Parts: sequence; structure tokens; C-alpha cells
Amino acid sequence: GAGVSQSPSNKVTEKGKDVELRCDPISGHTALYWYRQSLGQGLEFLIYFQGNSAPDKSGLPSDRFSAERTGGSVSTLTIQRTQQEDSAVYLCASSSPHGGVYEQYFGPGTRLTVT
Amino acid sequence: QKEVEQNSGPLSVPEGAIASLNCTYSDRVSQSFFWYRQYSGKSPELIMSIYSNGDKEDGRFTAQLNKASQYVSLLIRDSQPSDSATYLCAVNHPGNTGKLIFGQGTTLQVKP
Repeated sequence: GAGVSQSPSNKVTEKGKDVELRCDPISGHTALYWYRQSLGQGLEFLIYFQGNSAPDKSGLPSDRFSAERTGGSVSTLTIQRTQQEDSAVYLCASSSPHGGVYEQYFGPGTRLTVT
Repeated sequence: QKEVEQNSGPLSVPEGAIASLNCTYSDRVSQSFFWYRQYSGKSPELIMSIYSNGDKEDGRFTAQLNKASQYVSLLIRDSQPSDSATYLCAVNHPGNTGKLIFGQGTTLQVKP
């Protein structure tokens, strides 16, 4: 079946502009996660949605970052007033928990470059 | 102390050898452990998950878990040049919310 999809694959923006990144999870997956990976760095958790529960926003680095998930499916990560340090690959993953286990499957990512 | 630690490498092995990748974690309540493979410029790909002490085998891959020692490893038998990648160890966040904590990854180089 279709995997996690993300768009755009690449985004170049000027410092101070707002950007929106989109994630379409695997059909039927109830959990959706956003991570980011800076050059040469590990994956940094940003935010987590599970079903209709309130999202876990504990990883968002500042109030310039926000995310929503509409209809329990597609999610949008918004970064306002982008800064150069926001440049990274933004990865989305989804999972369908069973027996308390969450195997996460990643999309191809969006490479964000802030100039 | 980092929550999930891996040797960054590079780990270099000859083709056909066994590659051994190691990971330690700090939180004893962690229950789920995952290995992801990430090729340069690509996103992580789940290759193994393990939840119980002992070994779990899948083809050329074997994951080993020792909760008492807070240690998880990945063995790759008959290593191939196509196995050259960064291997990320991930551990579920305490509270079993589904959040994963990732190590920095170990770069594996398999030389023909």
C-alpha cells in the first residue's frame, strides 16, 4: 500500500517568511509524528498526534512552530517567521499502535532551507 | 548522559563479515526498541523491532536485547556494500506514548 507522503520535497524560503509542510500518513494509521533532522544530527521529536487526543507538543522548539491534524488524517506543520536555524529535514511518521507497540514508518521528508 | 547512545563510527567491515552495532539507553522503563537504516539523503527505514529480552532474527539481521544491562544491538551477517548506511537506534519514550528517542546513529561502511 501507499506509504507516508510529504510535500513539498524541498522548500527554500527567505528568513522571516512563513512555511507550511504537509504530511499524509498511511491510511488507517491513528498516530502521526513530526521530527526534524539537522545536518549530521539525530532525529529531534517535535509533536505527536494520537487519534482525537490533544497533541503532545513537548518537542516544539518555540512558539513559531505549530501543527494541526485535520480529520484524523493529513497534518500540516507551520513555521512562522522562519530563521536560518530552522533549516533542516522535516520528517513525518505514522503508526498504528497494536498491543501498546508503535512501529513508526517515515515519509521521505521535506528539506527546508532558510536563506 | 544521553538517553540513547550509539558510537558514531564509522564502523568499517569487509564484505561478507558480521557487522555489530550497539546501543545503550538510560531509562529502565523503556519497553520497545527499534533499529532504523538511513541511507544518505533518504529518510529512516524501519528494519527491526524488539520488545523482549533475547534475540530476534529476520533474514541477515539479528536484534539482541538485554534489559538488565540496558543494551540493544543489531548484528548484520554476510554484510554487503548495500548495507552501508547510518543505523539509528530508537527507544520508546517513558510512558509508552509512542514517542521515540533516537540515538545519533552509527555509520556502517562495508568494503568490497
